[in-house]
Amino acid sequence: DAGITQSPRHKVTETGTPVTLRCHQTENHRYMYWYRQDPGHGLRLIHYSYGVKDTDKGEVSDGYSVSRSKTEDFLLTLESATSSQTSVYFCASRPGQGIWNQPQHFGDGTRLSIL
Amino acid sequence: GQQLNQSPQSMFIQEGEDVSMNCTSSSIFNTWLWYKQDPGEGPVLLIALYKAGELTSNGRLTAQFGITRKDSFLNISASIPSDVGIYFCAGLLFSGNTPLVFGKGTRLSVIA
Repeated sequence: DAGITQSPRHKVTETGTPVTLRCHQTENHRYMYWYRQDPGHGLRLIHYSYGVKDTDKGEVSDGYSVSRSKTEDFLLTLESATSSQTSVYFCASRPGQGIWNQPQHFGDGTRLSIL
Repeated sequence: GQQLNQSPQSMFIQEGEDVSMNCTSSSIFNTWLWYKQDPGEGPVLLIALYKAGELTSNGRLTAQFGITRKDSFLNISASIPSDVGIYFCAGLLFSGNTPLVFGKGTRLSVIA
């Protein structure tokens, strides 16, 4: 396993509040990813990072921001949560630097409910 | 953007039956991956394929990387109740930092 820990595992919050989800990996992986999973949509990429302070948008990035100040941590922030952001969020990571095609491994997810 | 068409979307099978699912793409990939997701957990890697034509097994699971590099299939033989879950295919084309492209998943139900 890639030693990926997501926190919190569950969160309930109200519309309009800021929310930050944390992903921590212990494998010194270069690449990290945030996905959301909703019924009928599979896994959709929100943002990803290809190094410290290097991030890029995925297909559903509106309303989300990310930061990566250390190799091991990738934070996902909902600046002002909306009910449409109720979902299960997964973090993933994979190596880089010459091991370009190594598979990514996932955390166990964060179930976020926005009321 | 790139898309993977995964089929079928869902399957109901009897315990002991064989299962087949596949993914197709309009783009070529250099790597094909198959993941399984159990309820309440994150996807777990089952099989990774790195060469066109490659056929790889993992226990009762067998996956193939299509020779056109645009498709892959996963077979499960003699299904058992713990095979229940969602199976995802994913493709990776090394082009800078391009992330994986995922299919929408096949939900497998096994009737004992």
